[in-house]
Amino acid sequence: DAGITQSPRHKVTETGTPVTLRCHQTENHRYMYWYRQDPGHGLRLIHYSYGVKDTDKGEVSDGYSVSRSKTEDFLLTLESATSSQTSVYFCAISEMGRGNTGELFFGEGSRLTVL
Amino acid sequence: AQTVTQSQPEMSVQEAETVTLSCTYDTSESNYYLFWYKQPPSRQMILVIRQEAYKQQNATENRFSVNFQKAAKSFSLKISDSQLGDTAMYFCAFMGFISNFGNEKLTFGTGTRLTIIP
Repeated sequence: DAGITQSPRHKVTETGTPVTLRCHQTENHRYMYWYRQDPGHGLRLIHYSYGVKDTDKGEVSDGYSVSRSKTEDFLLTLESATSSQTSVYFCAISEMGRGNTGELFFGEGSRLTVL
Repeated sequence: AQTVTQSQPEMSVQEAETVTLSCTYDTSESNYYLFWYKQPPSRQMILVIRQEAYKQQNATENRFSVNFQKAAKSFSLKISDSQLGDTAMYFCAFMGFISNFGNEKLTFGTGTRLTIIP
């Protein structure tokens, strides 16, 4: 299994509080992603990174920010959590280029509840 | 932007039977990857099968095979001899390549919940 760790795995917070989710990988993969999963929507991309300090927005980036200061860590921050951000968040990694398959490897998910 | 459509929210089939999950996508790109991921109740995302658009031959992995119709932009998954452990949510996904230096993103469909009945 790919070495991907998400923390925390479960969190309950209140509206208006900041929240940071961490994704840590031991695979030295260049690409890292944050997705959210909601019923009826599948997985939707929030932000992704294609290298240290190189990030870009996905389709549902409003209300979220990310940072990647090291290859192994990709942080997702909700500056002021809202109830609409209650979801399951998945981190994923991949490597591209010759010999790689394009497959994304996923963490186990973090369930966030905003009251 | 690419879109992926899974028109079957739920399906069920008897154990040992064959089931086909449908997926269509929309893109203007000529080179891309298509994937089927499985998400059992454990919530872990597991790759089932992968297809490269430039390959005409349909991918197969044991009991899992795809019917890739590039012109029709269709990518269905066939599960043969279905087993109880196949019960899961199945997601079709598309990855395009806008450049060699980034923008390799995976776009998912909304999923099909498959139940295998004993």
